[in-house]
Amino acid sequence: QKEVEQDPGPLSVPEGAIVSLNCTYSNSAFQYFMWYRQYSRKGPELLMYTYSSGNKEDGRFTAQVDKSSKYISLFIRDSQPSDSATYLCAIRSLGDDKIIFGKGTRLHILP
Amino acid sequence: NAGVTQTPKFRVLKTGQSMTLLCAQDMNHEYMYWYRQDPGMGLRLIHYSVGEGTTAKGEVPDGYNVSRLKKQNFLLGLESAAPSQTSVYFCASRSIDRNNSPLHFGNGTRLTVT
Repeated sequence: QKEVEQDPGPLSVPEGAIVSLNCTYSNSAFQYFMWYRQYSRKGPELLMYTYSSGNKEDGRFTAQVDKSSKYISLFIRDSQPSDSATYLCAIRSLGDDKIIFGKGTRLHILP
Repeated sequence: NAGVTQTPKFRVLKTGQSMTLLCAQDMNHEYMYWYRQDPGMGLRLIHYSVGEGTTAKGEVPDGYNVSRLKKQNFLLGLESAAPSQTSVYFCASRSIDRNNSPLHFGNGTRLTVT
């Protein structure tokens, strides 16, 4: 079992819809949870991070962590065509220097 | 302030040839990483470094070597390239802090091995 699992999609939704992206992880030692966004032919860039269970909101984006279920989510409200990208979840353990990524989900927002 | 710069941007190699990918960062970051990204496989960690003169293996280190002689540079070497090493290679860096400092990525090197 991989340490982090993510559905690669692609996921297509109409503009304005709420998008839900998810990852599961296997090791309860993971403490830091991140979401990166990657546009075509570019490097990933950090979108959000959190280190506790619960929700963290930033504009149209909400990151949610459920440590009991080992499940992390990213919600995008009022989705825009400019949100079309690949979204990667990433995790790290406290005291570990390695950051492990999910496979990424390709998202298409249809105008 | 350029951030993380990778050279070259593109390269085509023949099987058995060698090459070095260069990563340079101007943010004074202690940590540097090399990932490869393949369709359906996501980002996989090759090697990483927590400081000048130190390196460590990641998930997929075989066939690669690295060196961190200067804090700002992290080199990835392929001694004898194989078609399985066709990929997009990303370098990233981050600073040390108590909380989670983000990875800053370069824009990748696209390598084809024929």
